[in-house]
Amino acid sequence: KQEVTQIPAALSVPEGENLVLNCSFTDSAIYNLQWFRQDPGKGLTSLLLIQSSQREQTSGRLNASLDKSSGRSTLYIAASQPGDSATYLCAVKYSGNTPLVFGKGTRLSVIA
Amino acid sequence: GAVVSQHPSRVICKSGTSVKIECRSLDFQATTMFWYRQFPKQSLMLMATSNEGSKATYEQGVEKDKFLINHASLTLSTLTVTSAHPEDSSFYICSAGGAGPGNTIYFGEGSWLTVV
Repeated sequence: KQEVTQIPAALSVPEGENLVLNCSFTDSAIYNLQWFRQDPGKGLTSLLLIQSSQREQTSGRLNASLDKSSGRSTLYIAASQPGDSATYLCAVKYSGNTPLVFGKGTRLSVIA
Repeated sequence: GAVVSQHPSRVICKSGTSVKIECRSLDFQATTMFWYRQFPKQSLMLMATSNEGSKATYEQGVEKDKFLINHASLTLSTLTVTSAHPEDSSFYICSAGGAGPGNTIYFGEGSWLTVV
């Protein structure tokens, strides 16, 4: 069964800290991996998409890495801000026209 | 701007009635759309795959007669919750796109359904 696990489930950090969110997946034959942000009561915002052939992607203060062989991805957030507080979801796609398999997310709180 | 639009964003209905949720791709044609459901503090779970011009494919445990999906055009899929019950209260969200390896999957804004 294809499963995606995210650790930790919740994280609280003071403003300004750098932090890492972890995602692991059981089947390494992925098509791509995507990180999303979800604010309470809202939909999903795509943050970064990493294709299976890539090792990392960067956007502003965010950096996502992918290690297919070990079945892991990390999302690095630099210089965290209170506005970063949200749930971060990792999702894996296994082929072109198949749905995403989601982890349960990491609930991040950045304290001012 | 949004490339996938979902409507309504919030709806309250009485138990036993039916509710329709629309998902539209605005900038592209989507032969396939996906419908997910999210209960509080849980992750998104795939309900069904909506295929343009053919029947939807439902995940195990999802009742096809209760959750009717219609994908009549390349830009619109609808999810109808029939004979809604309070336990159907949830966040429903659709997605489209992502067929190519570098193509981002876009999600609608989601629809909060409350059945009273």
